[in-house]
Amino acid sequence: ETGVTQTPRHLVMGMTNKKSLKCEQHLGHNAMYWYKQSAKKPLELMFVYSLEERVENNSVPSRFSPECPNSSHLFLHLHTLQPEDSALYLCASSVLLGNEQFFGPGTRLTVL
Amino acid sequence: GEDVEQSLFLSVREGDSSVINCTYTDSSSTYLYWYKQEPGAGLQLLTYIFSNMDMKQDQRLTVLLNKKDKHLSLRIADTQTGDSAIYFCAAPGSGGYNKLIFGAGTRLAVHP
Repeated sequence: ETGVTQTPRHLVMGMTNKKSLKCEQHLGHNAMYWYKQSAKKPLELMFVYSLEERVENNSVPSRFSPECPNSSHLFLHLHTLQPEDSALYLCASSVLLGNEQFFGPGTRLTVL
Repeated sequence: GEDVEQSLFLSVREGDSSVINCTYTDSSSTYLYWYKQEPGAGLQLLTYIFSNMDMKQDQRLTVLLNKKDKHLSLRIADTQTGDSAIYFCAAPGSGGYNKLIFGAGTRLAVHP
């Protein structure tokens, strides 16, 4: 138990659906991250938030939309996804940017 | 550019020692990290070393750091089947906030 929870753990969606992934950290951290992990590519950093402000967007397609309403919660809104977006989506948090990151268990996403 | 490299696969016999190697490019690294990912789970912080140290030992784990060659290694003594996992090396990159750069991960397979 790392103090970072993610829901749902598994998600199957069609290409026309809209869904959201949720991440919550109970560690009092100020930075949160979204990563994508797939068989074809190693860990890919998608978005970084610090004090609820987005500080990095690594050329992620607009069909992925992050939201950080407060320092404890991070969402990833999904719409019009493609089958190649099927992957494990990991959330992480850290005390400050650059410190060690604590990861959630991930959401296994399958796009049909 | 910033890069962290690892070999992708390592197979060892139960009871032997495992050595997982990593090289990094950024010279300003302060802490360097090893993470472990078991099947179906997120990444778990395993150990770390501060860049002014050459070695750190924690029970069966030994981390060696060669700053001159920018080489980091993780040695697992008396490897057990429960050690089978993917091991990620991570180092802070350069830039405004020294974000962590992860290697591609080394898959460790332990066989009887």
